Amino acid sequence: GAGVSQTPSNKVTEKGKYVELRCDPISGHTALYWYRQSLGQGPEFLIYFQGTGAADDSGLPNDRFFAVRPEGSVSTLKIQRTERGDSAVYLCASRMNSNTGELFFGEGSRLTVL
Amino acid sequence: EDQVTQSPEALRLQEGESSSLNCSYTVSGLRGLFWYRQDPGKGPEFLFTLYSAGEEKEKERLKATLTKKESFLHITAPKPEDSATYLCAVQPGQGAQKLVFGQGTRLTINP
Repeated sequence: GAGVSQTPSNKVTEKGKYVELRCDPISGHTALYWYRQSLGQGPEFLIYFQGTGAADDSGLPNDRFFAVRPEGSVSTLKIQRTERGDSAVYLCASRMNSNTGELFFGEGSRLTVL
Repeated sequence: EDQVTQSPEALRLQEGESSSLNCSYTVSGLRGLFWYRQDPGKGPEFLFTLYSAGEEKEKERLKATLTKKESFLHITAPKPEDSATYLCAVQPGQGAQKLVFGQGTRLTINP
């Protein structure tokens, strides 16, 4: 596709459930980023991949959060035992390489934990 | 710690009333400063990248400038369609590959 695609666009779940959010980056972009954005705040860095490996996961808030990118393209953000505080918009972005250039963002996945 | 602070948090202008948004940053080296526009319910949309102090870039009614400590986004004769949240982000030097974002300025242009 022409842009970064994220699914689902909306996800409502109950506290304690497991959630997966998917990101399909722009074709040919080797760097992929996950950010989280709460209402009225700027995006907060979670993790970034260069190819298949997580090059920096310093933004993951705790071990309930995990992300993979097994073939160097599509990525999945996984959240275990969801909590109400996990409610936010999860943004995915990609860029040609990790050194320079702008990030291209998807529309985000809005997660609501009841 | 790398930090980005934007001001004001919100700004309301009349159509045609020019103004500026501020982005102050503290960063260990600067590989690039980025401006994004974000509409409600959408992902951020790239506007500009600035790399060194003194650099300026323009696009339609927007002009971004950069000094060693801050960046300004100047909006000239804005229109209602310029209403959005404007985000500033920095990419630190020293091997960091992520962008650090400010909290954004919510701009409203009244007709």
